[in-house]
Amino acid sequence: KAGVTQTPRYLIKTRGQQVTLSCSPISGHRSVSWYQQTPGQGLQFLFEYFSETQRNKGNFPGRFSGRQFSNSRSEMNVSTLELGDSALYLCASKLGGNQETQYFGPGTRLLVL
Amino acid sequence: SQELEQSPQSLIVQEGKNLTINCTSSKTLYGLYWYKQKYGEGLIFLMMLQKGGEEKSHEKITAKLDEKKQQSSLHITASQPSHAGIYLCGAPQGGSEKLVFGKGTKLTVNP
Repeated sequence: KAGVTQTPRYLIKTRGQQVTLSCSPISGHRSVSWYQQTPGQGLQFLFEYFSETQRNKGNFPGRFSGRQFSNSRSEMNVSTLELGDSALYLCASKLGGNQETQYFGPGTRLLVL
Repeated sequence: SQELEQSPQSLIVQEGKNLTINCTSSKTLYGLYWYKQKYGEGLIFLMMLQKGGEEKSHEKITAKLDEKKQQSSLHITASQPSHAGIYLCGAPQGGSEKLVFGKGTKLTVNP
């Protein structure tokens, strides 16, 4: 089975722009979670989608949004980029039940100039 | 909110040595995950512990969960350069689907 894939792998944007990241979960997985990883804050939960609905949300501003499609693929959007948004963005998928193992993708490294 | 503290923050060992990484939670643990990350890459799942006292092993890595102490430990026996990386513990926050992670332990294994 193919693992979690994320595109693009690397991205450079300037402040004020917006960006969309994509995540394709493992086949059959219906839950997709997004995380932001920075050297200072570590790995932080952004949100989780399950069956096209946002099921959980972290403590990030409204500039961070996401969605999930009927095939379970998910996108994350960040509007009005700030320098502090530079990070590794990871998505993880799981079947969908509580306390199941999440499997992570390779991440998208975003640099905001 | 729940916080996970990992110790040590970094570790340098000689190949063949044993080592232990600890993860302590500020609140009750409803399960604990261990992941390994190579720099700038995704997380590789190692083990999941669900019950107090549970112990799991995979190859030369053993993890234990002490619910009373709200703590988990990861032990590597006879370390190899392939064990090098950043080890992260994660736990469901308040039993929810959100995972909170420790800041990680950077392991270097010198040949």
